[in-house]
Amino acid sequence: DAKTTQPPSMDCAEGRAANLPCNHSTISGNEYVYWYRQIHSQGPQYIIHGLKNNETNEMASLIITEDRKSSTLILPHATLRDTAVYYCIVLSNFGNEKLTFGTGTRLTIIP
Amino acid sequence: SAVISQKPSRDICQRGTSLTIQCQVDSQVTMMFWYRQQPGQSLTLIATANQGSEATYESGFVIDKFPISRPNLTFSTLTVSNMSPEDSSIYLCSVEDRIDTQYFGPGTRLTVL
Repeated sequence: DAKTTQPPSMDCAEGRAANLPCNHSTISGNEYVYWYRQIHSQGPQYIIHGLKNNETNEMASLIITEDRKSSTLILPHATLRDTAVYYCIVLSNFGNEKLTFGTGTRLTIIP
Repeated sequence: SAVISQKPSRDICQRGTSLTIQCQVDSQVTMMFWYRQQPGQSLTLIATANQGSEATYESGFVIDKFPISRPNLTFSTLTVSNMSPEDSSIYLCSVEDRIDTQYFGPGTRLTVL
């Protein structure tokens, strides 16, 4: 059973903010939302994670709705190097639960 | 974040042979994992490499096909045994740090002829 739903692909103009949505309507109270991305032929790269508060780091911002049923990853000023497949993953008690990768969103940054 | 290296980065092998992939991390970690990514597909967890005990395999993966070693807290190997063209994939190791975030190595691209 897929825990998350993401659009299969998105385009974004270079220099604009890229907003990647993720639905996780069955998320439970102790499950975190993690985002990874995979640039072609490389290993997945951790971006950010959160539980219920919005989070920001040097790479991105994560906005989680109040009911926690969806979230948005924001890349504030997309560059061509941000072209990748972005994975939204929910899991709890990380040490005992496994990362399960869905199909993700293929983000293409347009020059 | 942990720095992870894998060897080899890529290889082309003949069917029926075996290949051992090495994963080295620059700090001691408790949890190490091995994943497979078949062409055009997402990642699938093969097993969790446990230090000092046998690896824990996911459904569909067996020790005879994918033996794993974990001799210490910074190193692990995955062997792909008796290879067939269906084993052509990218094989990735990952580690979990103390704040429960998983980081991935660069991957090993395997082609079996």
